[in-house]
Amino acid sequence: GAVVSQHPSWVICKSGTSVKIECRSLDFQATTMFWYRQFPKQSLMLMATSNEGSKATYEQGVEKDKFLINHASLTLSTLTVTSAHPEDSSFYICSALRGGGRLDTQYFGPGTRLTVL
Amino acid sequence: AQSVTQLDSHVSVSEGTPVLLRCNYSSSYSPSLFWYVQHPNKGLQLLLKYTSAATLVKGINGFEAEFKKSETSFHLTKPSAHMSDAAEYFCVVSLYNTDKLIFGTGTRLQVFP
Repeated sequence: GAVVSQHPSWVICKSGTSVKIECRSLDFQATTMFWYRQFPKQSLMLMATSNEGSKATYEQGVEKDKFLINHASLTLSTLTVTSAHPEDSSFYICSALRGGGRLDTQYFGPGTRLTVL
Repeated sequence: AQSVTQLDSHVSVSEGTPVLLRCNYSSSYSPSLFWYVQHPNKGLQLLLKYTSAATLVKGINGFEAEFKKSETSFHLTKPSAHMSDAAEYFCVVSLYNTDKLIFGTGTRLQVFP
């Protein structure tokens, strides 16, 4: 099956520092990956669409300068939370689109829990 | 605009009894609908998807869902709950003509022995 990994699984950082989260598709290539944010006991909110070799597309209300996304290869997308603050604490989940055609399945990573002190 | 509404935030059943997780959708177009399950410390897993083919969709682990246009519903069912089914379930609709997914608020399923 299609496997997507995230690293790290959890991270604690000090306010004002930057944190990078990696999302990898382990057994397939993904031209498109997505980044979501999930607050405790709430649903997933799409933050941005990451396309290999081009700039990410951010959803309305998401600060592109705070959440930097780089999709450098067909198997790796990274999310960097810059100058993190306690309100950035959340569960960040990525997904990778397998197939490339519309309505192909998104495979999700296990998530990264970020805590900003 | 498209959206999904999960009618129950929490459902409790006994092991071996049927499961019903309710989801209504809103869409101006023929929607593509999904059910995903989220177990603790594991990635979201696709249970099943509806893409305008058969209205009764069979998924993994004995789950199925029926697309009812007249009721704008896409309820998830399973004849007999297992302890391992305890998890968070999300009804999801894809934004028209894109790969973007819009998630419902989730239903936590508890299964008692």
